[in-house]
Amino acid sequence: KAGVTQTPRYLIKTRGQQVTLSCSPISGHRSVSWYQQTPGQGLQFLFEYFSETQRNKGNFPGRFSGRQFSNSRSEMNVSTLELGDSALYLCASSFRAGGLETQYFGPGTRLLVL
Amino acid sequence: AQRVTQPEKLLSVFKGAPVELKCNYSYSGSPELFWYVQYSRQRLQLLLRHISRESIKGFTADLNKGETSFHLKKPFAQEEDSAMYYCALSLTQGGSEKLVFGKGTKLTVNP
Repeated sequence: KAGVTQTPRYLIKTRGQQVTLSCSPISGHRSVSWYQQTPGQGLQFLFEYFSETQRNKGNFPGRFSGRQFSNSRSEMNVSTLELGDSALYLCASSFRAGGLETQYFGPGTRLLVL
Repeated sequence: AQRVTQPEKLLSVFKGAPVELKCNYSYSGSPELFWYVQYSRQRLQLLLRHISRESIKGFTADLNKGETSFHLKKPFAQEEDSAMYYCALSLTQGGSEKLVFGKGTKLTVNP
């Protein structure tokens, strides 16, 4: 099976702009989670979607939002970008089997805000 | 609050030496813990989970609830083990799982 894919891989934006990142999960995976990775804070959970519904949300401001489509593809949006939003954004899709859930990560989208 | 601590940012050993990457967690419930690894220019991937009690690539990790630790060990390090290692705690709420990660330890195995 193809792994989790994320587009674009790199992005440069300026403060105040908005950005949309896309994630395609592994086929058959219905859960998609997003994480932000920065040198200072490490990997932090943003939100999780399952069957087009947000089930869980991390401690991020409302400028960070997401959605999931019927084919399980997910997008996250950041509005009114700030310098501190510069980070690697990771998407993970997961599948539960035998009572165990495993998250499979994509390569990430590196966002630079100038 | 749930927290995962990896006290060493950097760890350097020689090939063939034993290696231990430390992980401590703070969680009031029954923890589900993982080690993830990220090799250079590769994506983050699951190395092992405590519940499976398996050994992957020679690595093992034992959950010590008394010490709230989940240290990763390998008796003889190899150069290809050089990577970033992240300890993670799974929190499940209403069927939704989120991972709380430590800040990571960069392991360098020198020839």
